[in-house]
Formats: sequence, C-alpha cells, structure tokens
Amino acid sequence: DAGVIQSPRHEVTEMGQEVTLRCKPISGHNSLFWYRQTMMRGLELLIYFNNNVPIDDSGMPEDRFSAKMPNASFSTLKIQPSEPRDSAVYFCASNSERQPQHFGDGTRLSIL
Amino acid sequence: QKEVEQDPGPLSVPEGAIVSLNCTYSNSAFQYFMWYRQYSRKGPELLMYTYSSGNKEDGRFTAQVDKSSKYISLFIRDSQPSDSATYLCAMSGLTGGFKTIFGAGTRLFVKA
Repeated sequence: DAGVIQSPRHEVTEMGQEVTLRCKPISGHNSLFWYRQTMMRGLELLIYFNNNVPIDDSGMPEDRFSAKMPNASFSTLKIQPSEPRDSAVYFCASNSERQPQHFGDGTRLSIL
Repeated sequence: QKEVEQDPGPLSVPEGAIVSLNCTYSNSAFQYFMWYRQYSRKGPELLMYTYSSGNKEDGRFTAQVDKSSKYISLFIRDSQPSDSATYLCAMSGLTGGFKTIFGAGTRLFVKA
C-alpha cells in the first residue's frame, strides 16, 4: 500500500518567494492534517481537513499561510511570502475516523 | 501546563537493555493512545495503538496505559542499535473532535 506522499522532499528558496508543498493522502482516508516540526516547538498542528473541508485552522501561524484540499487525493500548503522563520520540516498525515494518523516523510523547507 | 508531558531526553542505554519511555497527560477524556517512532529525516511511524486502559504487546514492544494515573508507557525489551530514534506519544479522545495531541518526543540512543 502506498503511504502518504509528500513533495518536494527538500525545498530551498529565498525570503519573499512563494512556497507550495503538496500532499497525497492514503486512499480511503477522509481526514488530512498539516504539521510543522521544529526542534524548539516540536510537532505543531497547522490545519486539518475532514472530507475535504477545513475544520480547524487555528494553528496556521499567519495569513501568509494557506491550505487547500480540492479533492480527496490532494492537498497543498502555501506560504506567500516566505520568511526565514518558516524554515522547518512540514509533515502531512491522514487517517480515517478514530484511527491513528499516518505520516508522510515530510518536506524539509529552508528559507534563506 | 501542557496536555501531554514527555521528557525529551536524550536517553542513552547499552544494547540489550530494557527501555522505559513514559508520558503523562491531564485530559481524562483521552481514550486512544499511540506511540510513534521517528528516525532522522523521516516521518513519525505508528508503532503501537491502544484503546483505553491495559497492556498491548507486539514483539519486543509493550505499551501500557494507566488511565487512573493518566500515565502511559512504552517498554522495549532487548533494545537494539536500530531502535535509536525519537519516540513520540500521542493521544486523542471524545473532546476536541478526536484531535490528536502529541508529546514532545524522547530521543533514544542504543549503544552497541
């Protein structure tokens, strides 16, 4: 079975540029989660979707961050404009109701 | 006070030792308890999943949940260098729409 697939694996870009992270959840899962992980703050939930609808975006740090889920098999997390403090590993996870989440291998983002 | 407390370590043990990893929590509504293992530059991988109180064993791994004390543990028997990773506890429950709360993670090093 294919797991959660994220792309790109690594992204290095300059401050002010737009960054788009992509996620394909596990087929059949109806919830999708975006997390950010740093040494200082650990794993932080940014936003999650249920049946393609955003349910809780209280973790999105600023208006510079936006996320979409146009269909059950694809989601994007966009940062515009990017800043050096956005540098982190971004994870996508998915699950079906009341089941544990399964994570992708993350996108390592560096903003110079 | 955080909802989930986990000692970040690092914890260093010799090969073959029994490892005990622990988390405490404050929300009595948590019902689902998980342990994830995260290797460097990889996403968290589900290791153990238990519902309510009790023990669950899977090979060298045993998960324990004590809801009366709000305390969960993961034991690793006959630890191997390949067990060196960060271990995150996680839990969810009826409140908050089954939102999963993660511990900070404990870094484990098993020395050959």
